[in-house]
Amino acid sequence: GEDVEQSLFLSVREGDSSVINCTYTDSSSTYLYWYKQEPGAGLQLLTYIFSNMDMKQDQRLTVLLNKKDKHLSLRIADTQTGDSAIYFCAENTNAGKSTFGDGTTLTVKP
Amino acid sequence: DAGVIQSPRHEVTEMGQEVTLRCKPISGHDYLFWYRQTMMRGLELLIYFNNNVPIDDSGMPEDRFSAKMPNASFSTLKIQPSEPRDSAVYFCASSLGTRINTGELFFGEGSRLTVL
Repeated sequence: GEDVEQSLFLSVREGDSSVINCTYTDSSSTYLYWYKQEPGAGLQLLTYIFSNMDMKQDQRLTVLLNKKDKHLSLRIADTQTGDSAIYFCAENTNAGKSTFGDGTTLTVKP
Repeated sequence: DAGVIQSPRHEVTEMGQEVTLRCKPISGHDYLFWYRQTMMRGLELLIYFNNNVPIDDSGMPEDRFSAKMPNASFSTLKIQPSEPRDSAVYFCASSLGTRINTGELFFGEGSRLTVL
């Protein structure tokens, strides 16, 4: 079945690295995503990784994919207070549909 | 492009009233999704359309909920009659899918519904 799981809360100090973890179940997913939701707004794509990759780096963001364990992680380097938000992991389960986790609320303390 | 446009942004209504939420997807996108977000249940997929045709409505809570997509540029989600437990933020999203794209979903700002 389709299920995406992630921890609900993460708190870090400004300047530290944040690592948000996710597990998914559909081994046929072609894309895996990280979305960011700021208060009062809709979700916005932060980054994605194609299933044949194991790492993707984009400025302060690093995505790691372990297909064997169906594990996805998002690392944010030098976390800033503006990074405080809810981060959703999602997998693409067919041509159009994505399945989302429950979201991890990241709190960055000054 | 203005992005996905939802209306109303906020709605407060009384139990038993009909509620209609509206969505205009990004032009050219052939997938449209309706999600509901609450603290208790997180982000739930209610229904999605491909080329205006409903593909999966298994997430629609019950018969009180209905969704239509009469053309490629407009969709509605209707709740009749509304109940307090329907209070949530309802998101519309559109996408090009993954056949020619990454499948990124573009979300609207959401419609916050409060049923008293």
